[in-house]
Amino acid sequence: AQKITQTQPGMFVQEKEAVTLDCTYDTSDQSYGLFWYKQPSSGEMIFLIYQGSYDEQNATEGRYSLNFQKARKSANLVISASQLGDSAMYFCAMREGRKTDSWGKLQFGAGTQVVVTP
Amino acid sequence: EAQVTQNPRYLITVTGKKLTVTCSQNMNHEYMSWYRQDPGLGLRQIYYSMNVEVTDKGDVPEGYKVSRKEKRNFPLILESPSPNQTSLYFCASSPPGMVNIQYFGAGTRLSVL
Repeated sequence: AQKITQTQPGMFVQEKEAVTLDCTYDTSDQSYGLFWYKQPSSGEMIFLIYQGSYDEQNATEGRYSLNFQKARKSANLVISASQLGDSAMYFCAMREGRKTDSWGKLQFGAGTQVVVTP
Repeated sequence: EAQVTQNPRYLITVTGKKLTVTCSQNMNHEYMSWYRQDPGLGLRQIYYSMNVEVTDKGDVPEGYKVSRKEKRNFPLILESPSPNQTSLYFCASSPPGMVNIQYFGAGTRLSVL
């Protein structure tokens, strides 16, 4: 069963605007971690941000912030003040906790393609 | 420079011809993992290794083998490749105690004809 759902296959955003990328997840574990990665057209995977399930505050890293709504099981990525260099594929991922059989596994969503326009 | 190195970067082969994609990291990481990326499916984990001689299946292990005889290397072996294994492959590793952060290699684009 799909554990990570990214419902937006692609989106356009204007330069300097903020954009929100949706991610919902499915787990019965209380301890888990959520990640966002960026994949530019060159192909490499770039780690952006991490949120632990017990973290009380939403994670932020520069222009990236993670809007974590635990009860809704959503972990949306917000990119503020978009730049042309933000054009890329963005992946949401989850790792479940140590007590689960999935501890070593990292599961990814299908990705959202973002195109930033001038 | 800390890095995860995959070789080759590009490979075209034929059905049934055994191949190995190498992955090496110079960061003394314990955790290593292999993924394949296919359009519309995101990344799917093939195998992972928590440490030397400890490997486990990910979500799509069929048709693949791995070994972890030493900490720095984690090769991916396709004993009898088939066209449905045409994909982009990534190796990744994580620092001890920081499995929440993965460093990815540059990727290997494999075509099986």
